[in-house]
Amino acid sequence: QSALTQPASVFGSPGQSLTISCTGTSTDVGAYNFVSWYQHHPGKAPKLIIYDVSNRPSGISNRFSGSKTGNTASLIISGLQADDEAHYYCSSYTFSTTWVFGGGTKLTVL
Amino acid sequence: QVQLQESGPGLVKPSQTLSLTCSVSGGSISSTSYFWNWIRQPAGKGLEWIGRVYTSGSTNYNPSLNSRVTMSIDTSQNQFSLRLTSVTAADTAVYYCARGTSYFDFWGQGTLVTVSS
Repeated sequence: QSALTQPASVFGSPGQSLTISCTGTSTDVGAYNFVSWYQHHPGKAPKLIIYDVSNRPSGISNRFSGSKTGNTASLIISGLQADDEAHYYCSSYTFSTTWVFGGGTKLTVL
Repeated sequence: QVQLQESGPGLVKPSQTLSLTCSVSGGSISSTSYFWNWIRQPAGKGLEWIGRVYTSGSTNYNPSLNSRVTMSIDTSQNQFSLRLTSVTAADTAVYYCARGTSYFDFWGQGTLVTVSS
């Protein structure tokens, strides 16, 4: 199985909004609404921020939102803050009864 | 609050077997609502799902590792385990255990395993 495709890096200024894409295929992202997103600060455990395409776990800011069109899912971060600077990973269930992650996107807050 | 903690050797020799255990607290590993997963991250690279084990002992593995991976669960100890055979330097990574359903909601802090002679 191939990793989902994410941009390697994105940049934004405080207060701005930005979108991170996650492109898969018709056998993973396009087939199921089981796309999730994780925020990962170095040295810490990844943190779930979006599940099942667009749902936020309790305690996650509503500045984070998710969507999906076809084989591409998106994470939208609004009102960018300094502590949003981290790596972000998408993940999807696949038709093979397995899971696949994206390659990760490094978000830099300018 | 569910907590997971990985444990095991931090150094494994090439061709040998990597063995890790994940201890779960704050919740029962016998719950039928969850799968128990292993995920790894080589230095400078992204996350890779290794596989999952259910309370019944049934498993699913990443096809790229399928021939070398075995996962098991010990409900009496509230633990689950990973065995990866015939390791090479490419298996050097931070290994995480995580609870999952259609997503991974609780993760361990991760443990670095280095494959080197």
